[in-house]
Amino acid sequence: TQLLEQSPQFLSIQEGENLTVYCNSSSVFSSLQWYRQEPGEGPVLLVTVVTGGEVKKLKRLTFQFGDARKDSSLHITAAQPGDTGLYLCAGPSSNDYKLSFGAGTTVTVRA
Amino acid sequence: NAGVMQNPRHLVRRRGQEARLRCSPMKGHSHVYWYRQLPEEGLKFMVYLQKENIIDESGMPKERFSAEFPKEGPSILRIQQVVRGDSAAYFCASSGIGLVPEQYFGPGTRLTVT
Repeated sequence: TQLLEQSPQFLSIQEGENLTVYCNSSSVFSSLQWYRQEPGEGPVLLVTVVTGGEVKKLKRLTFQFGDARKDSSLHITAAQPGDTGLYLCAGPSSNDYKLSFGAGTTVTVRA
Repeated sequence: NAGVMQNPRHLVRRRGQEARLRCSPMKGHSHVYWYRQLPEEGLKFMVYLQKENIIDESGMPKERFSAEFPKEGPSILRIQQVVRGDSAAYFCASSGIGLVPEQYFGPGTRLTVT
């Protein structure tokens, strides 16, 4: 099983501030996916990064895949209360279907 | 609603009873995955199915748990003789075919064993 470590575990910030969440592994992944999960709901896919060094932007969210494809980061600019949630990174096994998930980062944005 | 559907959303069972969790994949998707999220733990892979075939059940406990994805109808995750430790959120995901088969998750079934 390929392990993904996320940091920090918890993050609480004021509305308007920026934040970065990290996802690291000692293994190489063919791709990494970021999900956001709200209490009582299933994870919602935000983005998939595939190429080493790739940067993807989704409105105020910027996702980066490390050059060696072992790590990724999620940066949120000018966070809003609606960004509150559990952010999960996940990567497929060598078989490309079994997703391994990080433990997640719980983000709280205070109004 | 073209998303992944799961029912029931909440299920309460007494110890020793059976739990049946249903999952209808996203339209056009033929691959189904089940994951379990235990309290204070991350999502763990249980089983991967295609129509009428179990491809990988390496994450599923050998006893009491079974899964199927029949030719017609939803995928079913079945837990026999439930115990308190089975209390968890069970998520189904589906994907299509592609170079990077992205998995889309349903809202989950929260199983509580009393």
